[in-house]
Amino acid sequence: RKEVEQDPGPFNVPEGATVAFNCTYSNSASQSFFWYRQDCRKEPKLLMSVYSSGNEDGRFTAQLNRASQYISLLIRDSKLSDSATYLCVVKGGSQGNLIFGKGTKLSVKP
Amino acid sequence: GAGVSQSPSNKVTEKGKDVELRCDPISGHTALYWYRQRLGQGLEFLIYFQGNSAPDKSGLPSDRFSAERTGESVSTLTIQRTQQEDSAVYLCASSLERTSIPQESQYFGPGTRLTVL
Repeated sequence: RKEVEQDPGPFNVPEGATVAFNCTYSNSASQSFFWYRQDCRKEPKLLMSVYSSGNEDGRFTAQLNRASQYISLLIRDSKLSDSATYLCVVKGGSQGNLIFGKGTKLSVKP
Repeated sequence: GAGVSQSPSNKVTEKGKDVELRCDPISGHTALYWYRQRLGQGLEFLIYFQGNSAPDKSGLPSDRFSAERTGESVSTLTIQRTQQEDSAVYLCASSLERTSIPQESQYFGPGTRLTVL
């Protein structure tokens, strides 16, 4: 089983749609969780951390389910500018290395 | 303040040549990471520095790859006798510390796009 798994997509949605991505991780000792965003031919940038109680940042909501070892990202009212690849990232175990998923590609169409 | 910078931004080289890639992390960031990203693929961890030491070299794909860091600042990734499969974007990231701050994330540089002909 891969350490961090994501559906690669692509998710093609119209503007204004709500879209959700899920991610699963294999190391139950993982401590911290993040969503990064990567635009085409650009470096990854932190979108938001994921807290145990769930957290929201504007149109973006992240949730963590430790029992099932999955993380989700919900984007409401999608904008054209949301088109990117969304990377699920897990900080695991005693070493604390960041493990990146391969990303889910989102394309928002007019 | 300044972010992570990398140079060169693009490098085209011939098979068999050596290349050196440079990373300047955010000032004060003690942890520094190198990743490789092939076209259309995810990030592949190469090596991690805490200060000038590299406790985790597990991702280096072969002994042709080496990296060093000096002054707890600049790092160089060296690839000897480059092969075509080394073609990728090499990304550097830095963070304050590796483990003590659970939600501490990494900040990435723009990458070096390496093409081996």
